Parts: sequence; structure tokens; C-alpha cells
Amino acid sequence: DAGVTQSPTHLIKTRGQQVTLRCSPKSGHDTVSWYQQALGQGPQFIFQYYEEEERQRGNFPDRFSGHQFPNYSSELNVNALLLGDSALYLCASSTALPSGIYEQYFGPGTRLTVT
Amino acid sequence: DAKTTQPPSMDCAEGRAANLPCNHSTISGNEYVYWYRQIHSQGPQYIIHGLKNNETNEMASLIITEDRKSSTLILPHATLRDTAVYYCIVRLSGGYNKLIFGAGTRLAVHP
Repeated sequence: DAGVTQSPTHLIKTRGQQVTLRCSPKSGHDTVSWYQQALGQGPQFIFQYYEEEERQRGNFPDRFSGHQFPNYSSELNVNALLLGDSALYLCASSTALPSGIYEQYFGPGTRLTVT
Repeated sequence: DAKTTQPPSMDCAEGRAANLPCNHSTISGNEYVYWYRQIHSQGPQYIIHGLKNNETNEMASLIITEDRKSSTLILPHATLRDTAVYYCIVRLSGGYNKLIFGAGTRLAVHP
């Protein structure tokens, strides 16, 4: 058990709606990254949060936004949902070790279906 | 885009060693090789990483060629529970660097 939790497990939304996904990082981790995984593909990086700020962002439109709270938990918000947003959304947490090497621990994901 | 090339699928008999290859011919001197796996309907799981020396942990061994242009992940005694998609990723060290996943290798372990 990696210790990263995500909610909800599954979600069904209608095109045009907005959705919020939640992630609690592994204890002791301060960095949260979000990934989108379409069916049959590898995960694609959305963005990363550290110290409550977006530190790095992948090639995703502004409809995708996020937030990190003082307790390091994070939310992913997607506005104006499209059918193509249907995917498994993964949260990963990490912290930098003195060596500079770190591992990302992934949660089980939230399966979003847009109809 | 992913900076690695992996075969799309492989088979392995239970109890035998599974050797998963990865090509990363454009790897730079300060990039590490990471391996993750994803069992169906779960999040990816870290397996091992290395820079230039061979590495071993309780899950697997990582063999990196001397020129660092390719590597092999070895599962010494594959079990049915090792059936998963295996991803080879090259990345810099440090917390700023995202993981760039390719399509991975789908390993099927059969009885």
C-alpha cells in the first residue's frame, strides 16, 4: 500500500459539467503530481504542486486547474468537460531526498466517465 | 514524447526469469533510468532505478549497458502476480521532474 488516497473512486459526469477530484499524499510527502491516463495508453503528466503552488505543467488546457492545501492534499478541477476527458486520473506524491533521488508513489486513481 | 522504446508485449512462464528490454539511445549523462509497473486497474508502482551501475532490490534487477543506451529489467522468478504493464522512463533526479510514460511493455506471465 503506497499510502496515497484518492476520491472518489469512480465518477460519471455529463459533457459541459465541472468536476473536482481529490488526493491525499503519502505521509511525509510534500509534492503532488496529477496524471491523466486514457484507456490503453500510458499516464500523461498534467501538473505538479509544491508549497501550494503549481510548479510544473504538462500540455493540458486551462480547463484543468488544481490546488494544494497547507496539509499537502490536492484537488484537480476540470471545467467544461468533454467526452475526451474520460480517463483514469492518477495522483502521485513524493518528497525530495537528500540525494536528490525520489520515487513517486501513485494512488489507485479516479475513473472519470463523461457522457 | 517518451524518450524510451520498449516492445509492446512479452510472455513469460511462471517461475522463469522475465527480461524486459528498453532502449534509451538519447539518454544524457545526468538522467536516470526508472522502471514502474502498472497492474490492471491500479496506479503505477515504482520498481527500481539506476544511473550507470547495475542495481538490485527485493523486486527486480536492473542491468544498464556500459554506453547507457539500453537497459534490461529482470524479474528473476516471475509469478502470475507480475502480469502488468512495465514502463521504462528516463528522467533527471530531483522533485521538479515529471515522469514521461510511453506505452510500456505488457508482460503476461502464464502457468
